[in-house]
Amino acid sequence: DIQMTQSPSSLSASVGDRVSITCRASQGINIYLAWFQQRPGKAPKSLIYDASTLQSGVPSRFSGSGSGTDFTLTISSLQPEDSATYFCQQFVSYPYTFGQGTKLEIK
Amino acid sequence: EVQLVESGGDLVQPGGSLRLSCAASGFTFSNYWMSWVRQAPGQGLQWVANITPNGGQKYYVDSVKGRFTISRDNAKNSLFLQMTSLRDEDTAVYFCARIPCTGGSCYYDFWGQGTLVTVSS
Repeated sequence: DIQMTQSPSSLSASVGDRVSITCRASQGINIYLAWFQQRPGKAPKSLIYDASTLQSGVPSRFSGSGSGTDFTLTISSLQPEDSATYFCQQFVSYPYTFGQGTKLEIK
Repeated sequence: EVQLVESGGDLVQPGGSLRLSCAASGFTFSNYWMSWVRQAPGQGLQWVANITPNGGQKYYVDSVKGRFTISRDNAKNSLFLQMTSLRDEDTAVYFCARIPCTGGSCYYDFWGQGTLVTVSS
């Protein structure tokens, strides 16, 4: 199975900050990487697929980059509603696997 | 508007069975792969199973193979997860999700709100 490792596990930042979350795959996954946002008690929301393609309706302050084994989710100007847990996921091969999550708190 | 609404979650004893449903609306259900993903309390996300648009191919995580069966009824726009021989570690919120496939890429776009399965004596 492909292991997905996110860092950091948690972070705290202020409104307007630029924030980055990293996801590393245990083997190359090309660009088959997705990012999700999950608020407490809610379903995941799809943000990005194919490493850098924004889902329809996702604000442009979210962006994704990377290929192979190393990927980054960046929020260019943090907003209060971005407080959530973020997960990455590989969909190059079964079983699909997710990172353990990064909890983002707004100061 | 795309909607996925799960139902069927309940408290069940170890060794018991349960059938989850996901009612889809707002899109042509028969054109899409579909998936079940679960989340144990306070934990991360775990993929459970996928099914092709016509239901001909199914894929499972090893921990549920032989115990869970994913299926669909395209005439009723519904996805199902039949769960048997349930274990404590199957306790989770179960989400259904839609998978559009474009070119060689298949990825989640819409998710349901989830249904809670609790396995406990």
